[in-house]
Amino acid sequence: SQQGEEDPQALSIQEGENATMNCSYKTSINNLQWYRQNSGRGLVHLILIRSNEREKHSGRLRVTLDTSKKSSSLLITASRAADTASYFCALLLQGGSEKLVFGKGMKLTVNP
Amino acid sequence: DTEVTQTPKHLVMGMTNKKSLKCEQHMGHRAMYWYKQKAKKPPELMFVYSYEKLSINESVPSRFSPECPNSSLLNLHLHALQPEDSALYLCASSQPRGGHNSPLHFGNGTRLTVT
Repeated sequence: SQQGEEDPQALSIQEGENATMNCSYKTSINNLQWYRQNSGRGLVHLILIRSNEREKHSGRLRVTLDTSKKSSSLLITASRAADTASYFCALLLQGGSEKLVFGKGMKLTVNP
Repeated sequence: DTEVTQTPKHLVMGMTNKKSLKCEQHMGHRAMYWYKQKAKKPPELMFVYSYEKLSINESVPSRFSPECPNSSLLNLHLHALQPEDSALYLCASSQPRGGHNSPLHFGNGTRLTVT
């Protein structure tokens, strides 16, 4: 399968705690992206990491990529109730295609 | 608010109707996408236009017909749909080779119900 798979599928934490979600995949990628989706709305791009990068930061977000293990993790620090959403990893496959393939997604609930 | 505008927000149509979904962006992006998303599922790619030319068709049934009149507009024409086509239809845009350095910008979608 060309699709990434997030783990866990659901996570419930308290405000202020950190949230970590993982994405595993089986194919070769050009880059890996993380998106957030609030219920019934469009997806919002969070962060992009290229296959030759190992770690990136953006505000409270930290993403790592291990191409040898074909896995990525997204860490959200000091979570807020507003972080409650579905999170998807998305793979841009190698080969020059514009096809971005989304993982199955995970549901994060941050309790106030 | 999103920089990609989709209309209508909601659409209910019968199986014999013809309708169109519209998408507009003014970010100068030259790649535009249609995704379909069923409840509690990830978005599934349908079509990609790059420089106003159809570059990817993910074996979508012909009852869905995309059109890219210019670099800012993307339409999805619907005809003789089935109830299982009910879903959230998402439009997105990016720079071409979308994703290399350019993420996708999504609209808020059109919630389609086929009766």
